Amino acid sequence: ETGVTQSPTHLIKTRGQQVTLRCSSQSGHNTVSWYQQALGQGPQFIFQYYREEENGRGNFPPRFSGLQFPNYSSELNVNALELDDSALYLCASSLTSTGKWYFGPGTRLLVL
Amino acid sequence: AQSVTQLDSQVPVFEEAPVELRCNYSSSVSVYLFWYVQYPNQGLQLLLKYLSGSTLVKGINGFEAEFNKSQTSFHLRKPSVHISDTAEYFCAVSAGETSGSRLTFGEGTQLTVNP
Repeated sequence: ETGVTQSPTHLIKTRGQQVTLRCSSQSGHNTVSWYQQALGQGPQFIFQYYREEENGRGNFPPRFSGLQFPNYSSELNVNALELDDSALYLCASSLTSTGKWYFGPGTRLLVL
Repeated sequence: AQSVTQLDSQVPVFEEAPVELRCNYSSSVSVYLFWYVQYPNQGLQLLLKYLSGSTLVKGINGFEAEFNKSQTSFHLRKPSVHISDTAEYFCAVSAGETSGSRLTFGEGTQLTVNP
């Protein structure tokens, strides 16, 4: 039990739609990262937020965006969904300086 | 930039046998190293991490890993595996002085423990 929760657990969307995935971090964790894990692959870094500001981004287009809120929750938004966006989306939170990330169980997104 | 190579995509072993999952990394700066385990339909669980100090790191569930800077490796080992160790294992690196740095993962190694 990591204390990081994600919702929903599963989601089915059609191409072109928009989706919002949610993450609730451990209390006090000021950093949250989002990862995309395609089937059979390792997680790929999407972006990271520190104290509600984006402070790092991976090789993902602008239609992937996020928010971090003061209550340690965060969102990942994806616009104009494509078939290749089908994946497990993982949220991870950390308290800076501990060197330890806590991962949520993920949201599995299927784009048809 | 960092990169991680997990040398084996699949490792089948028999129960109670020893196992080694291999991980090599590439980085132009000092890195922190991690091993995560992912059970089916679940998120990632940290097995162990190397930040500094002793190069032999002990983790949960009887796993250990050794950091070898000259060979840029961080192989994961367990002297005797159980059926319940069947899972996907990911090696990861991050750079920087804090956990604020992104994790770069390898492609994963599927460990299958057979009776």
